[in-house]
Amino acid sequence: AQKITQTQPGMFVQEKEAVTLDCTYDTSDPSYGLFWYKQPSSGEMIFLIYQGSYDQQNATEGRYSLNFQKARKSANLVISASQLGDSAMYFCAMREGWNSGGYQKVTFGTGTKLQVIP
Amino acid sequence: ETGVTQTPRHLVMGMTNKKSLKCEQHLGHNAMYWYKQSAKKPLELMFVYNFKEQTENNSVPSRFSPECPNSSHLFLHLHTLQPEDSALYLCASSETATGPNTIYFGEGSWLTVV
Repeated sequence: AQKITQTQPGMFVQEKEAVTLDCTYDTSDPSYGLFWYKQPSSGEMIFLIYQGSYDQQNATEGRYSLNFQKARKSANLVISASQLGDSAMYFCAMREGWNSGGYQKVTFGTGTKLQVIP
Repeated sequence: ETGVTQTPRHLVMGMTNKKSLKCEQHLGHNAMYWYKQSAKKPLELMFVYNFKEQTENNSVPSRFSPECPNSSHLFLHLHTLQPEDSALYLCASSETATGPNTIYFGEGSWLTVV
């Protein structure tokens, strides 16, 4: 089963509008963390926002907020007031569990390509 | 400006060449990672170093050889690569590899094998 699922391969949004990028996850570990990264065409993976499984409130960072619905196992990214510079690939990721070496494995989704239209 | 820098940003190499990718982090972290990103595939973890010790080798072919001389530097030595190894190679770091820490990435090295 897919650990991280991003069902929207591509999205369009009008400049200054809000947009929601979907992410669902699958884990049996009670302790986990969810991340969103932005990857422009240049290649750099830029960290945007983090939500821990025990966090009571949804995470927010400037124009980014994470709509965390634990029972539904979803962690959608909301970008408010979209800007042209927001055009990029967006990846959802999850940190969970431990392997034999004690490293907490991080799994990435396949990404959503967001294009902001002027 | 990123706290993780990678060089070179672009590399073209023949299948018989030997080259290296370099990564340096300026964040005071103790864990460093190599990831491979191929077209239309999820990000693949290759290697993890925690306090200079390799804690993960994700079934990577031996033509990729990592080296971590200290917590700030990480290399990926490449030899006799195949065209399918062409990809974006991302270096990353975090405070440690065993705690609830965010992973920060570099700008990536675009590798083309001809």
